[in-house]
Amino acid sequence: GDSVTQMEGPVTLSEEAFLTINCTYTATGYPSLFWYVQYPGEGLQLLLKATKADDKGSNKGFEATYRKETTSFHLEKGSVQVSDSAVYFCALRFQGAQKLVFGQGTRLTINP
Amino acid sequence: ETGVTQTPRHLVMGMTNKKSLKCEQHLGHNAMYWYKQSAKKPLELMFVYSLEERVENNSVPSRFSPECPNSSHLFLHLHTLQPEDSALYLCASSQDDSGGQETQYFGPGTRLLVL
Repeated sequence: GDSVTQMEGPVTLSEEAFLTINCTYTATGYPSLFWYVQYPGEGLQLLLKATKADDKGSNKGFEATYRKETTSFHLEKGSVQVSDSAVYFCALRFQGAQKLVFGQGTRLTINP
Repeated sequence: ETGVTQTPRHLVMGMTNKKSLKCEQHLGHNAMYWYKQSAKKPLELMFVYSLEERVENNSVPSRFSPECPNSSHLFLHLHTLQPEDSALYLCASSQDDSGGQETQYFGPGTRLLVL
């Protein structure tokens, strides 16, 4: 079945470090891909998305590129801040379907 | 603030209690969802309503009973729950165009503890 695999957490970095959170997917076809973020005590918020191969989603300094050849959608940020501490979820969704398939989430902690 | 509100934010209940979770969306969307977020497990989709009709039920036990009286409101009725049902229950909404590209907007969740 369709699935999303994220790198194991927790991830701890210092402020201004470079961030990569890996995400790969298994699917029959070409889904849309999403990154959601969950700040402490809150629900999920859409961070960015890409709907077709080679699309790059970006928001708040975060970027991810839809790589069909490697079935990946890795999240990157050049210089993280303490306020980026949260849990990050990679997800996929097929055209015509309402179901989002989520990865297990990666907890990120940024130290000052 | 995403336009999706959930009440209560926290709930503690015994296994013999009956309670309901409420979700309201102020975004004019036509689809609503219930998700379960357990520790160390991926988010699990429980139910999907589109145009007030249930279109998906992911093998959820009957002790969870959803209700969607209109496109803005979604309830999850709970009865005779088990301790393993303790989790964060998230509601979401979207504008369903069957294109698979519409963003789902999530509420803050209800943290449920079953004793």
